[in-house]
Order: sequence, then structure tokens, then C-alpha cells
Amino acid sequence: DAKTTQPNSMESNEEEPVHLPCNHSTISGTDYIHWYRQLPSQGPEYVIHGLTSNVNNRMASLAIAEDRKSSTLILHRATLRDAAVYYCILRDVPNAGKSTFGDGTTLTVKP
Amino acid sequence: EAQVTQNPRYLITVTGKKLTVTCSQNMNHEYMSWYRQDPGLGLRQIYYSMNVEVTDKGDVPEGYKVSRKEKRNFPLILESPSPNQTSLYFCASSLRGISTGELFFGEGSRLTVL
Repeated sequence: DAKTTQPNSMESNEEEPVHLPCNHSTISGTDYIHWYRQLPSQGPEYVIHGLTSNVNNRMASLAIAEDRKSSTLILHRATLRDAAVYYCILRDVPNAGKSTFGDGTTLTVKP
Repeated sequence: EAQVTQNPRYLITVTGKKLTVTCSQNMNHEYMSWYRQDPGLGLRQIYYSMNVEVTDKGDVPEGYKVSRKEKRNFPLILESPSPNQTSLYFCASSLRGISTGELFFGEGSRLTVL
């Protein structure tokens, strides 16, 4: 299975944009890139996913490199409530049932 | 309210005493899955189910059993718990087990095996 690599931690100031990187150099052509986040004492929650094109939703934007070997989750204006662990995972068509989350990136937002 | 419900939320038990962690979803989802979360190891998948009566092993299935007799329920069974199964467990569901499916997680069940 293709794996992802994320920095262990990042810091941001409140109301500033945050760019959370994810490397997935062994990604296959059918792998979808998903992002989840886990707030303290809660289960993970879906943020966004994409295949090739950049994606936007009410929570965030996902920028996918042209070669698809990396992606970036963009929070346009970080709030204190965005402090969480962010996971980047790959889900492919043949093995869509399987999913493994790495350690993710712990985002700290400073007031 | 659409949700995934796990019970119990907290449990302390002793080695060898069989226990079941229940998971129920009210969204008519076909796909369900169990994960365990341990410090430094992220979320690792234990078992998953693509639909009723269909289950498959994830990355760490040893010491666990599951069943999927009804669409809404996916219990996790520890026949003979051991201390290395002390962990935080999450159940998740998705409309279908496809690569674009959004996973909905429960709030977690913290299990301690003494």
C-alpha cells in the first residue's frame, strides 16, 4: 500500500492561513487523497478528498501537485477550533475497504 | 441525528475475560470498520466489512473477532483480552466501501486490560 509522510507538528497564528503538507511519492493512479482531522477527545472527522484536481469545500482546500506525489491541505484562516491532528491517507479502488492512518500532523493554533 | 454509536465508552477489564464493544450506525451505511489508536502508531485498522455477512482483516486483526449480521451493527469481540489490547478503539462507517467514501467515526471506546 502506498504510504504518506507528514510533519509531526506545525504551528500557526490565529486568522492566518495554514498549509499542511503531505508526501505520497508511491501513489498509484487510482489512489484518492483523503484528509481527516481529529479534535481532542473525539473521533476523526472527514475534511476533504481529491484525485487530481484541486478541491475546495467549506472547511478547506486541497492542492494536489501535478505529479500527485504530494498534496497540501489549506486552511484559509486558522481558528483556535482548528487545533487538531490532521491525517493524510490514500484510498485506492482495488482495496477501498482498507485504510490506515499514520501519525498525522499536530496543528497548534496560537491566539 | 446521523451518528455512529459505540459502547462502552470506557472499560477496565482483566486478562482473559471476554468482552464485546458494540458499534451501531443509523445511516444505512454498507461499510463499517474498526480501528485502534495507540500513541506513536496512529490509527490502525483491525477489521472491516463491505456489507452484511462480508468481513475482512485489516492490518492488526490478531486477537479480535467481528461479525456483521445486520447492516447497522458491527461488534468487536475480544475473546481473551490481553494487556497489549489496551487501547482507544474507533468504529467508522461509510455509505459504501469505495475510494471516494467519507468515513464517519464514533467517539471512541477506551479499553484497559489489566
